[in-house]
Amino acid sequence: EAGVAQSPRYKIIEKRQSVAFWCNPISGHATLYWYQQILGQGPKLLIQFQNNGVVDDSQLPKDRFSAERLKGVDSTLKIQPAKLEDSAVYLCASSPQGVVSGNTIYFGEGSWLTVV
Amino acid sequence: AQSVAQPEDQVNVAEGNPLTVKCTYSVSGNPYLFWYVQYPNRGLQFLLKYITGDNLVKGSYGFEAEFNKSQTSFHLKKPSALVSDSALYFCAVRDPSGGYNKLIFGAGTRLAVHP
Repeated sequence: EAGVAQSPRYKIIEKRQSVAFWCNPISGHATLYWYQQILGQGPKLLIQFQNNGVVDDSQLPKDRFSAERLKGVDSTLKIQPAKLEDSAVYLCASSPQGVVSGNTIYFGEGSWLTVV
Repeated sequence: AQSVAQPEDQVNVAEGNPLTVKCTYSVSGNPYLFWYVQYPNRGLQFLLKYITGDNLVKGSYGFEAEFNKSQTSFHLKKPSALVSDSALYFCAVRDPSGGYNKLIFGAGTRLAVHP
């Protein structure tokens, strides 16, 4: 079974530029997550989708971050304009139906962003 | 609010010795607890989880974790450490707030296994 796919793996941009990350979850998984992991910290949830609807975006900086999940499958996370503090690993994850009933969340390899 | 704490930034252990990586939690209701491992430049890999049942949970790569309700702990253990176990370990707890479930992660513990 294929895992969660993410691209690009690495990206370096200048501040105020824009960047987009793509994620393809495990086939059949209804729930998709984007987490941000800053160096030295644990992952923090940015946004959670159930199928193609947003169910939690309370920690998404909406003035610069946006995300969509068209057709309830793959997803794109965009940052515009980027700030230095956005340097982090952006982790996409998926699960069959969230963590309800103890479902496991599976993570991709991450997209490593450096803003200079 | 649900939370987890990993009180040690780093754990050092000699190869062949037993290892323990500590995690304590604070939840309302029944806890769903998870351990993940992150190798350099990689994403998070699932190790094991506690949902209900036996307090001792067995997972991948010889790891196990003990759920202790009275101490609100979920420590990760392995009887004999390998150099290849050196990585960053994260404890996580389910947060069901808002009706949809997500994971809240601890800050991580770096495990260094020395030959």
